[in-house]
Amino acid sequence: QQQVKQSPQSLIVQKGGISIINCAYENTAFDYFPWYQQFPGKGPALLIAIRPDVSEKKEGRFTISFNKSAKQFSLHIMDSQPGDSATYFCAANEETSGSRLTFGEGTQLTVNP
Amino acid sequence: NAGVMQNPRHLVRRRGQEARLRCSPVKGHSHVYWYRQLPEEGLKFMVYLQKENIIDESGMPKERFSAEFPKEGPSILRIQQVVRGDSAAYFCATRGTKLSGELFFGEGSRLTVL
Repeated sequence: QQQVKQSPQSLIVQKGGISIINCAYENTAFDYFPWYQQFPGKGPALLIAIRPDVSEKKEGRFTISFNKSAKQFSLHIMDSQPGDSATYFCAANEETSGSRLTFGEGTQLTVNP
Repeated sequence: NAGVMQNPRHLVRRRGQEARLRCSPVKGHSHVYWYRQLPEEGLKFMVYLQKENIIDESGMPKERFSAEFPKEGPSILRIQQVVRGDSAAYFCATRGTKLSGELFFGEGSRLTVL
């Protein structure tokens, strides 16, 4: 019940295209869904996060779409740039319990120039 | 990465030796989480500590691994009698006193066991 499943494992997109990464969770008690971005040799850094009271959150070129009934959420990167090439992790937890974040397996995004 | 300091950044050990990884949280942060990342894999939770207390160690291997977060000083992840399978990147993440809020990650300690 603690799993978060992420797909695809890798993604190649042309510059200017849209990158879409999907995640599904099982635990209905999860109430906080962040996305982290990790560059090689670095630690993950928070990119954007959503809570289930809204179905979409947008910050610049990054949008999270959230479907509570389907227990799915996705990250959309509009106008993808080579500098977006990184590994992206979705995650989830029961935020107010202070429980640890459970991470998806990661998606390695490559944006070709 | 908002000030979470991990050291050493790279550590090489031979099988059977001990590895000690240190994490200094963002100033004022009292919650520390350790995660392990194997090559080409995701982040696996190991342990969650709050000053002087282990809150959740459900991800820790039962043997050879231990963690502490003393009242003074950094959090330490200790691996005794290391084996090749322990080779991984170990990340520390911290947050403040609020139960909600962003986790700030360090840049990781990369352990190689020869």
